[in-house]
Amino acid sequence: GAVVSQHPSRVICKSGTSVKIECRSLDFQATTMFWYRQFPKQSLMLMATSNEGSKATYEQGVEKDKFLINHASLTLSTLTVTSAHPEDSSFYICSGRGTSWVRDIQYFGAGTRLSVL
Amino acid sequence: AQKVTQAQTEISVVEKEDVTLDCVYETRDTTYYLFWYKQPPSGELVFLIRRNSFDEQNEISGRYSWNFQKSTSSFNFTITASQVVDSAVYFCALSTNNQGGKLIFGQGTELSVKP
Repeated sequence: GAVVSQHPSRVICKSGTSVKIECRSLDFQATTMFWYRQFPKQSLMLMATSNEGSKATYEQGVEKDKFLINHASLTLSTLTVTSAHPEDSSFYICSGRGTSWVRDIQYFGAGTRLSVL
Repeated sequence: AQKVTQAQTEISVVEKEDVTLDCVYETRDTTYYLFWYKQPPSGELVFLIRRNSFDEQNEISGRYSWNFQKSTSSFNFTITASQVVDSAVYFCALSTNNQGGKLIFGQGTELSVKP
């Protein structure tokens, strides 16, 4: 299967700081990348969808100024949590979907556990 | 509306038992894809299978098998001779072209395999 690398795997930060999470597709070109948030014992909640070179499309209720997404290349997308607060603490996970043999399948990164103090 | 229901929140079995994880989906689209993903305690989601709506053939991969039945809108997953390493949360998911490839996840089933 295709490989998506996400890091950092864990980050602890102080309230008010910004945190950047990177998501890279290593062996395929991810024309679309997705960002999810997952609370303990719950399913994944889609935050936004980004296509390379375009602005991200955010799901209802997700603050785009709070969660900045950049998908500048076919192999890299970043999520920046701006001015993080304790309620932003969560598990964030990205996925990439490409073309040809990986088409229509989302391959996921290992996730980032964010703790805001 | 699109929806995926995994009615079993938690399942506990003893090693070597067979276990079936249920998945029921709802969609009005005629073209759609169904998926199963495994999320071990480490957190990453591991892709297991994709099935499109026009292919109702059952699939077997080692100890894993999947039963897709459009008549009951179900896509069940069976693990035979379960092992401790199978312990994880398993998610069933649905995507349709009309949704731009977004995955609609079920709530997940936490499988615990005890030695």
